[in-house]
Amino acid sequence: EADIYQTPRYLVIGTGKKITLECSQTMGHDKMYWYQQDPGMELHLIHYSYGVNSTEKGDLSSESTVSRIRTEHFPLTLESARPSHTSQYLCASSEIWASGTNTGELFFGEGSRLTVL
Amino acid sequence: QKEVEQDPGPLSVPEGAIVSLNCTYSNSAFQYFMWYRQYSRKGPELLMYTYSSGNKEDGRFTAQVDKSSKYISLFIRDSQPSDSATYLCAMSEVDSSYKLIFGSGTRLLVRP
Repeated sequence: EADIYQTPRYLVIGTGKKITLECSQTMGHDKMYWYQQDPGMELHLIHYSYGVNSTEKGDLSSESTVSRIRTEHFPLTLESARPSHTSQYLCASSEIWASGTNTGELFFGEGSRLTVL
Repeated sequence: QKEVEQDPGPLSVPEGAIVSLNCTYSNSAFQYFMWYRQYSRKGPELLMYTYSSGNKEDGRFTAQVDKSSKYISLFIRDSQPSDSATYLCAMSEVDSSYKLIFGSGTRLLVRP
């Protein structure tokens, strides 16, 4: 069983509020990711990290920001939430990236479902 | 046009049936192909991985990649109610293997 945890699991918040979605993993993985998933839609990569103090934006434009001060922790922050931010946010980690026989398996958390009113 | 197309289903089959799930893709640079399974209110988990073309079998599951047709498949034999989930295909290029491109998922329901 994967040891990656997300909090909160569910959050309902008003427009304009600042929110932080927490993600922690105990596997010592260098690589961490945030995906956005809407019902019936693809997972879209919004942020990823190679390791401590490295963060990159993914393909899907996002107004969120991330930080990676510790290996095990990769929080995502929205400074001013809007209804368009309503979605499920999935955090994941991996030991390596896919390469030949190495699967680059992503271990996902259970997700944080955000609703912005 | 999406890089990866996947029939959303839902696909409903009786227990014991053989299930075929498929994805097509447009990017010929994809080399790594995966199938993830996602249960309701859970995160996806890796089910099968294939590098380049060919078949891979693991128990009741078989993954096939046909790069000439840009088509990948997942077969489930002797399907069980516990197989009821959403199945996501995912793929990536060699030079950017951190960036998985996911299909939208096929929801499978196996009826007892």
